Amino acid sequence: DTGVSQDPRHKITKRGQNVTFRCDPISEHNRLYWYRQTLGQGPEFLTYFQNEAQLEKSRLLSDRFSAERPKGSFSTLEIQRTEQGDSAMYLCASSLRVQGNEQYFGPGTRLTVT
Amino acid sequence: AQSVTQPDIHITVSEGASLELRCNYSYGATPYLFWYVQSPGQGLQLLLKYFSGDTLVQGIKGFEAEFKRSQSSFNLRKPSVHWSDAAEYFCAASGAGSYQLTFGKGTKLSVIP
Repeated sequence: DTGVSQDPRHKITKRGQNVTFRCDPISEHNRLYWYRQTLGQGPEFLTYFQNEAQLEKSRLLSDRFSAERPKGSFSTLEIQRTEQGDSAMYLCASSLRVQGNEQYFGPGTRLTVT
Repeated sequence: AQSVTQPDIHITVSEGASLELRCNYSYGATPYLFWYVQSPGQGLQLLLKYFSGDTLVQGIKGFEAEFKRSQSSFNLRKPSVHWSDAAEYFCAASGAGSYQLTFGKGTKLSVIP
């Protein structure tokens, strides 16, 4: 069990540029989640996949955001036309479809938009 | 609306002292409850969880938490804090049959040597 991995760990971009983050979940986990965490706050739910199907999106996920999980394994989160307000830590988590749905988090990708 | 509240933003304790971090939830039914710890610049590590049954649950690193339905609380405790426990602690909840976690705003723990 190698845990959830995320790449890159840090990303600095200029306003208006597109960025893409990758998440590799724990191998046997069929559920994958994206959260966003801003300074001084707890993580906030963005979206959720069960296998390759995106089953829920938060209203926090504007049209500039898109997430995919093409083969039910890794996932990508793309932000188009980044804004300074997008600066945050983007966290990925995965879980098994069992009681309690305990989620295991990756180290996160810290995005800074200048 | 479903919510999780951590009333204490920052707590400072001396090494070796006991610790209690507070968490209250507001859900229609008893949710699944979790405590996570986050070190600076890192992701979240699951400390412990409560689904049902025994209201006192044990976790990793010597932590425990007690579920009190009457108080809608799930407080985290440790009898003797170590300097390495300094971090931010998040309480989270998930409704039965739900898939997303709702987090509190976190409590930052500082440990004085």
